[in-house]
Amino acid sequence: DAGITQSPRHKVTETGTPVTLRCHQTENHRYMYWYRQDPGHGLRLIHYSYGVKDTDKGEVSDGYSVSRSKTEDFLLTLESATSSQTSVYFCAISGVADTQYFGPGTRLTVL
Amino acid sequence: KNEVEQSPQNLTAQEGEFITINCSYSVGISALHWLQQHPGGGIVSLFMLSSGKKKHGRLIATINIQEKHSSLHITASHPRDSAVYICAVVQNTGNQFYFGTGTSLTVIP
Repeated sequence: DAGITQSPRHKVTETGTPVTLRCHQTENHRYMYWYRQDPGHGLRLIHYSYGVKDTDKGEVSDGYSVSRSKTEDFLLTLESATSSQTSVYFCAISGVADTQYFGPGTRLTVL
Repeated sequence: KNEVEQSPQNLTAQEGEFITINCSYSVGISALHWLQQHPGGGIVSLFMLSSGKKKHGRLIATINIQEKHSSLHITASHPRDSAVYICAVVQNTGNQFYFGTGTSLTVIP
């Protein structure tokens, strides 16, 4: 299994609070991704990174920000969580033109 | 607008049956992936294809680039194959992935 972990694995929070999810890899892969998975939508890209301090938006980036200060960590921040951000969040890593390896997921509930 | 469409959405089969899941896409791609998501939620990559056909055990994946279509076949299906199978494409203008909504497969003993 690729060395990729996510923390926390489960979180319940209240509307309006900030939330940060962490993705950590030990594979030294260049690309890191944050997705959300919701019923009927499949996986949707929030943000991705193609190197340290190099990030770009995906199709559902509104309300989310990311940071990558070192190769192994990619943080996803919800500045002010809303109920529509209740979802399962997956981090993934890949090399260039390579398969993606997924983390175990974080289940976030915003009340 | 969905760049990736899968069919069927749900599939129930008897153990031993031959299963086919289809994926059509609308963008130019550099690669196509088949993923498996277990009932516990974990996602595993099964295949990465850019042309032709690949086989791994009882799983076979094919792709037709001209027709923008891929199929995943499972021979001699088993209850442990029960999972959601997801098709994903990598657009050839970048490294962005697009995902289908998945096919939920249940194999009955």
